[in-house]
This record gives sequence, structure tokens and C-alpha cells, in this order.
Amino acid sequence: EIHLTQSPSTLSASLGDTITLTCRASQNIDTYLAWYQLRPGEAPKFLIYGASILQRGVPSRFAGRGSGTNFSLTINTLQPDDFATYYCQQYENQFWTFGQGTKVDIK
Amino acid sequence: QITLKESDFTVVKPTQTLTLTCVVSGFSLTNDGVGVGWVRHSPGQALQWLALIYWDDTKEYNPSLGHRLSIRRDTSRSHVVLTMTNMDQVDTGTYHCAHRRGNVDAFDFWGRGTAVTVSS
Repeated sequence: EIHLTQSPSTLSASLGDTITLTCRASQNIDTYLAWYQLRPGEAPKFLIYGASILQRGVPSRFAGRGSGTNFSLTINTLQPDDFATYYCQQYENQFWTFGQGTKVDIK
Repeated sequence: QITLKESDFTVVKPTQTLTLTCVVSGFSLTNDGVGVGWVRHSPGQALQWLALIYWDDTKEYNPSLGHRLSIRRDTSRSHVVLTMTNMDQVDTGTYHCAHRRGNVDAFDFWGRGTAVTVSS
């Protein structure tokens, strides 16, 4: 099983800030990584796949980077809808796993 | 437009079997490359992928839970059904069904989820 470690677990930020979330894999997953946004009571939102490819309709203020074991999600100019929990997911093999999540809340 | 909707919230007793239905629309379960999976979110835990069924009826299960899980589909009704046996309190959480994005093993459309409570 490939483990994903996300940090920080919680990040406090203000509107307009630029923030970076990280996701580290326990072994090489090339770029088989996706990012999701979860808000309470809503369907999870698919943001990025292939570590850096933005899903259609996702604002360009979201940017994913990385390969191998180290990945990041940067959100530029935080908007009100961006306060949520973010999860990374690896799909390098058939046993897909998620990170523990990073909650972005308002400072 | 792709949508997925899980069956209503459920309360089951320990050791009972959970059955959840996902009704999909906007795509066919038999279209090339299509997959529908289940992911759960338990309190204080990470998201956990459970199972997935592909357009050709191939099935994949989380190895840590596979012996308890079964996934099947009803193509005529556009339903995907997940059963989980021997339920325990630790299985309490929100269960989502989700659409696999083409040839990428990630989920691009999700249902809002259904709450499952395991309690005696």
C-alpha cells in the first residue's frame, strides 16, 4: 500500500493569500496523483490529475506540481470558496489511496 | 451532464450487511473506459477507496476490505450497488459513489454521499 502524507493538517489563511499544500508519497508514483476539494455537505470536487493537469472548469489560481514522491498544490489569491479540506490521491497501482487531508480555514 | 446519487442514509446494526445503491445519469455504464467506484469518509479518517466496477464488468476491491465487499451493476437501470458484510461501528461514515475519469484512475464526478451509521 502506498501511503500519502499531507502537510500541514490545518492551514489558517486570509482572503487573497497564496498558500501551498504538500503531499508526500511513501514510494515513487511518477505523476499518478490527483487533488480534490471537499466542503461539508457537498460532493467532492476534482481539481487536478497527472500531478499538474487542471481539470476542465477549475480556476487557474490552482496549480499542482511534483513527480516521484513530492507534490504540492498551490492556491493563488484565496477566494471564499477555497476554504475547504484538500486531499491528494495516488493511482500508481490498483490500490488507490488518499492522504489524510489539509484543512484550509480562515485566519 | 454526469450525475451520481447515492441511496438515502442508512442505519445498520453490528454484523449486519450494508447495501448501497448509486444511480447514475449522463453516461452509460457500458461505455468504453467508464468506471464507477465507492469511496468513504469516516470521522477523523482519510478518504478510503472501497471498490470500483469498470465498463466491461471487471471489478477491483480495496485489499484490506475486499473479503467484505461486493460491487455489481444493473446496466438497464443505471445502478451500481455496493454491499459490505459484517458491519462494525468503525464503518460509520459518509459513502460516496464516483465516476472514474476516462483512462485516469481518479474520480471526476462524485455524489454528495450518504450517511451510514452502525449502531446497536
